[in-house]
Amino acid sequence: GAVVSQHPSWVICKSGTSVKIECRSLDFQATTMFWYRQFPKQSLMLMATSNEGSKATYEQGVEKDKFLINHASLTLSTLTVTSAHPEDSSFYICSASGLADVSYEQYFGPGTRLTVT
Amino acid sequence: DAKTTQPNSMESNEEEPVHLPCNHSTISGTDYIHWYRQLPSQGPEYVIHGLTSNVNNRMASLAIAEDRKSSTLILHRATLRDAAVYYCILRQMDSSYKLIFGSGTRLLVRP
Repeated sequence: GAVVSQHPSWVICKSGTSVKIECRSLDFQATTMFWYRQFPKQSLMLMATSNEGSKATYEQGVEKDKFLINHASLTLSTLTVTSAHPEDSSFYICSASGLADVSYEQYFGPGTRLTVT
Repeated sequence: DAKTTQPNSMESNEEEPVHLPCNHSTISGTDYIHWYRQLPSQGPEYVIHGLTSNVNNRMASLAIAEDRKSSTLILHRATLRDAAVYYCILRQMDSSYKLIFGSGTRLLVRP
């Protein structure tokens, strides 16, 4: 099956700094990528949808100036958490859909655990 | 977004079948029923999906009620590796392809 990778798998940063998380589709071209956030013992919350070459669409309540998403190619999307604070500590997961994906299956990355101290 | 209702948790014995129910009474005619599962500290994994007919694949079977207001994910022989949170999601076939996750069912498999 299709593989989606994320880097880094975990990161610790100091409050006020910015962190970039990469999401790559390794063996297929992803026209659409999604970013989710998951707090402990909770479900995944969709943050935004990004289409290659266009601006991301953010879900209600997600600050687009704080969570910068770039989808510059068909295999790479990045999420930058700007001026991170301890409440941004979470598990960030990306997923991707392919070009002609008749099964409409989404392929998920392994997640990035962010801890802000 | 159409809503699904699942039990918070279920338990099963290893090597026995497991039936995970999902209610989706507000489903529309074009909504697909998707199931994903998430093992601890991992990203979700696709399990199966269907529209109207029952579906089988190597991981599981999906039984869809005739009125489509409910469905059941069937694991034919549960293993310890099947212990996960299982999410039943209605996916609208619009251009967004979004998946909106509910709270899911936590499956515990006893050895």
